[in-house]
Amino acid sequence: NSKVIQTPRYLVKGQGQKAKMRCIPEKGHPVVFWYQQNKNNEFKFLINFQNQEVLQQIDMTEKRFSAECPSNSPCSLEIQSSEAGDSALYLCASSLIRGHSDYTFGSGTRLLVI
Amino acid sequence: QQQVRQSPQSLTVWEGETAILNCSYEDSTFDYFPWYWQFPRESPALLIAIRPVSNKKEDGRFTIFFNKREKKLSLHITDSQPGDSATYFCAASGGTQVVGQLTFGRGTRLQVYA
Repeated sequence: NSKVIQTPRYLVKGQGQKAKMRCIPEKGHPVVFWYQQNKNNEFKFLINFQNQEVLQQIDMTEKRFSAECPSNSPCSLEIQSSEAGDSALYLCASSLIRGHSDYTFGSGTRLLVI
Repeated sequence: QQQVRQSPQSLTVWEGETAILNCSYEDSTFDYFPWYWQFPRESPALLIAIRPVSNKKEDGRFTIFFNKREKKLSLHITDSQPGDSATYFCAASGGTQVVGQLTFGRGTRLQVYA
């Protein structure tokens, strides 16, 4: 069982609706990554955090996506206005040390935008 | 331009055979290469990983062979079992990417028949 907890497992939204998903990183892990895996198995890095601070994010994330990792609360990724192309598996991962890539993914949130 | 390429796209072997999955990469500064496997309706799980200081990494029936000069690596699965049927992703990190970010190939879908 993954030590990174993602909720919900499935999310169905209409176009234009907000879609919000959450991630609880593994205990004691300050670094969090979000990725998108589309139906063609293309993985796209979205954003990463160290504690509450954004380390880096891609342009897509800056425009319609928002994310945060508040202290003592789950991290979250929210799409402000969902589009059909956002339908994908959203994966969260955490790491103990910044720069380490041997992280474990959560079970993911599968988003369907209809 | 794809930084990490995998071949074949799909592979079928019989139980007991050796499956060979190939991966190549562009960025010679990549310094960490994990392989993930993903079963239907699940998230990717870390299977085995290698760093360029080694040219071979073995874990049970799974072995990574690494050729730094040619920027290629392969995953060999000996004595393949039906339970190995999954999509396998080669990934890489380091170099000029976001610190800790993984770049994934598009996967090889392995089917093992009994």
